[in-house]
Amino acid sequence: AQTVTQSQPEMSVQEAETVTLSCTYDTSESNYYLFWYKQPPSRQMILVIRQEAYKQQNATENRFSVNFQKAAKSFSLKISDSQLGDTAMYFCAFLPGGSNYKLTFGKGTLLTVNP
Amino acid sequence: GAVVSQHPSRVICKSGTSVKIECRSLDFQATTMFWYRQFPKQSLMLMATSNEGSKATYEQGVEKDKFLINHASLTLSTLTVTSAHPEDSSFYICSARVAGKPLSGNTIYFGEGSWLTVV
Repeated sequence: AQTVTQSQPEMSVQEAETVTLSCTYDTSESNYYLFWYKQPPSRQMILVIRQEAYKQQNATENRFSVNFQKAAKSFSLKISDSQLGDTAMYFCAFLPGGSNYKLTFGKGTLLTVNP
Repeated sequence: GAVVSQHPSRVICKSGTSVKIECRSLDFQATTMFWYRQFPKQSLMLMATSNEGSKATYEQGVEKDKFLINHASLTLSTLTVTSAHPEDSSFYICSARVAGKPLSGNTIYFGEGSWLTVV
């Protein structure tokens, strides 16, 4: 079974600054995917960024980037130039490869961007 | 992008009654859908995996007879909370996997969620 750990229940950052959210995971799988989802107050789950485990290059999506350390089983999310609209709950999630399609979520980090 | 729609977004029902929540993939076919439950300030808890044309697979600790799941078509899965009680009050959210495509984050879509309040 996989586990996903987000050790920061809450974080805050000033608008325009950079913040990093931590995520570690445990698995015996060799092929898997990692995701960061954003859940704003509307509760809609929004995919922020994804990383395939076989790719060494860290994924980036505009202001969002990850630091994927496969050996350390770490998958942190960096948000640059934070905006007020980034205020949300952020969930790290793990998906094994193959035919098991179950996402395993971390407990989440509540990020507040302050003006 | 693909859209998953849940209905109703909010529902209030009396204790002892049953309530049905629908999850529809609007512009793609979904062979597999997932139902989650989320308590306030907590993460998503997978309840069951819904497979088109077959019985749902429930996670450990989830009562099959209480949370009935039907996936009768490639675009619709329903969750029925039977004999609802106040402790069933929660936020329920579904996700859908696009049929025929390799699984990746781009091919799993979430519905908007449904708030259930049992009074």
